[in-house]
Amino acid sequence: DIQMTQSPSSLAASVGDRVTITCRASQSITNYLNWYQQMPGKAPKLLIYAASSLQSGVPSRFSGSGSGTDFTLTIASLQPEDFATYYCQQSYSLPRTFGQGTKVES
Amino acid sequence: EEQLAESGGGLVKPGRSLRLSCAASGFDFNNYNMNWVRQAPGKGLEWVSSISSSSSYIYYADSVRGRFTISRDNARNSLYLQMNSLRVEDTAVYFCARIGRFYDSSDNPVEGLDVWGKGTTVSVSS
Repeated sequence: DIQMTQSPSSLAASVGDRVTITCRASQSITNYLNWYQQMPGKAPKLLIYAASSLQSGVPSRFSGSGSGTDFTLTIASLQPEDFATYYCQQSYSLPRTFGQGTKVES
Repeated sequence: EEQLAESGGGLVKPGRSLRLSCAASGFDFNNYNMNWVRQAPGKGLEWVSSISSSSSYIYYADSVRGRFTISRDNARNSLYLQMNSLRVEDTAVYFCARIGRFYDSSDNPVEGLDVWGKGTTVSVSS
């Protein structure tokens, strides 16, 4: 199984901050990497697919980069509605695996 | 609007069974592969099972293989998860999710979970 490791597990940030979350795969997954946002008590929401493609309707302050084993989710200017937990997920092979999550809090 | 709605969760004793349902609306259910994903209390997301649009391909996580069965009824726009021999560690919110089809910058097909239900809670306890 491919292990996905996110860092940090949590971070404190303020509105307007630039936030960066990293995700590392235990083997190359080329660009088969998705990012999700989950608000408390809600279902996850797809933000980024194929490592860097923005899902329709997602604000442009979100961006993704990386390939192979190392990936990054960046929020250019944190907004109040962005305080949430973020997960990466690989779709390269089965079983599909998620990172453990990164909680962005104030 | 594209929607998924899970039902069938509840409190059950270890060793018992439960059947979850997921009703799809607002999109052509026949054309999409589907997933179940779960989230234990205070924990992260765990992929559980996938089924192709025609039910030809079915996959399970090791943690549920042999106990859970995924199925679908395209005529009823519904996805199911039959859960047998439930364990305390199966306690979680269970989400159904659509496997969306996308293309990367090189026109290679990729997937992402682009439509999610709100989840149904399964609690396994004696």
